[in-house]
Amino acid sequence: ETGVTQSPTHLIKTRGQQVTLRCSSQSGHNTVSWYQQALGQGPQFIFQYYREEENGRGNFPPRFSGLQFPNYSSELNVNALELDDSALYLCASSLDPGLAYEQYFGPGTRLTVT
Amino acid sequence: EDKVVQSPLSLVVHEGDTVTLNCSYEVTNFRSLLWYKQEKKAPTFLFMLTSSGIEKKSGRLSSILDKKELFSILNITATQTGDSAIYLCAVEGTGANNLFFGTGTRLTVIP
Repeated sequence: ETGVTQSPTHLIKTRGQQVTLRCSSQSGHNTVSWYQQALGQGPQFIFQYYREEENGRGNFPPRFSGLQFPNYSSELNVNALELDDSALYLCASSLDPGLAYEQYFGPGTRLTVT
Repeated sequence: EDKVVQSPLSLVVHEGDTVTLNCSYEVTNFRSLLWYKQEKKAPTFLFMLTSSGIEKKSGRLSSILDKKELFSILNITATQTGDSAIYLCAVEGTGANNLFFGTGTRLTVIP
């Protein structure tokens, strides 16, 4: 197991609600990336945070937003939830933004939107 | 648009069989190709490939990259039930420092 933790493990929300998912990075890692993995699909890159600043974003609408804190833990916020937001949300931390191949993934948060 | 295609989508084999998983890609400014194993939730890293023709090997698993034909294969010999998982191929391009994943191959190894 990696040192990356995520909470909560599972979450059920209603369409239109807002949700916050949390990620605690591996010790010493200053970069966090978030991915959405829908059922039967591979993970899709949402965005990356490096030293508390957004450092790249995938093809996701602005209602997906994030934060990284001084201790490098991170949050993913999703507003106005839609049914298609139901997925496994993975975060991954690394020592440096240029080390995508050295990302350590957390166990994920399974979000169900009804 | 960047694209990673894996085949087959799923595969059922018996213990002891050898399997070959395929990954083809189109990506701008290729940097590396990675293979992951996803058993329950967190993908775990298997290999990173950057150069054509050089085989990476770890126990019963091996992988090779062909940068001219834009594909990679992952081989697993003498499969075991513990190899049952989703195998993900991801490509790293330059730019946003992120990984572009394929849909994965679900491997089931039956005793």
